[in-house]
Amino acid sequence: GAVVSQHPSRVICKSGTSVKIECRSLDFQATTMFWYRQFPKQSLMLMATSNEGSKATYEQGVEKDKFLINHASLTLSTLTVTSAHPEDSSFYICSARDLRVGETQYFGPGTRLLVL
Amino acid sequence: GQNIDQPTEMTATEGAIVQINCTYQTSGFNGLFWYQQHAGEAPTFLSYNVLDGLEEKGRFSSFLSRSKGYSYLLLKELQMKDSASYLCAVRGLYGNKLVFGAGTILRVKS
Repeated sequence: GAVVSQHPSRVICKSGTSVKIECRSLDFQATTMFWYRQFPKQSLMLMATSNEGSKATYEQGVEKDKFLINHASLTLSTLTVTSAHPEDSSFYICSARDLRVGETQYFGPGTRLLVL
Repeated sequence: GQNIDQPTEMTATEGAIVQINCTYQTSGFNGLFWYQQHAGEAPTFLSYNVLDGLEEKGRFSSFLSRSKGYSYLLLKELQMKDSASYLCAVRGLYGNKLVFGAGTILRVKS
């Protein structure tokens, strides 16, 4: 299957700081990427859809000014958690849509964020 | 709205066969996906169904009935490493967004 990387895999930061997470499609171009958040023992919740060259589409209840998304190229999308607080601690996972395979979404390995 | 139901947990024996069911009610349908997720890791793609019928891929098979809003994932010759959470996800008609079920935790015992 297609390969998606995510960096960093784990980050610990102080409350009030900003954290940037990168998502890359390594062997295919992705016009659309998705950002999810997953709390312990819960399923994935879609935060936003990232579209190359245009603004991201946020799900209801997700603050676009707090979770900044940039999709500047066909292989890279970034999520910046601004002014992070302890309640933002979670597992953040990106996925990229591969048009070659029924538009299947392939997931990155995830980023575990801990805000102290 | 969209609603996806899966059993919360299942237990099966190594070498056996297990079927994980998923029922869905969505405002639009453009494919159903099954993912496997081990604890602390991201989901990995298992199968995709958009037409009725059975899709077989090695030890894993997935079935879809669109008229019944029903799918199942069949795992054969269970191995200990199959212990994981299995997520059913439905794609809507627009935007390619996936809506995930809560997942079924499968425990394989020896």
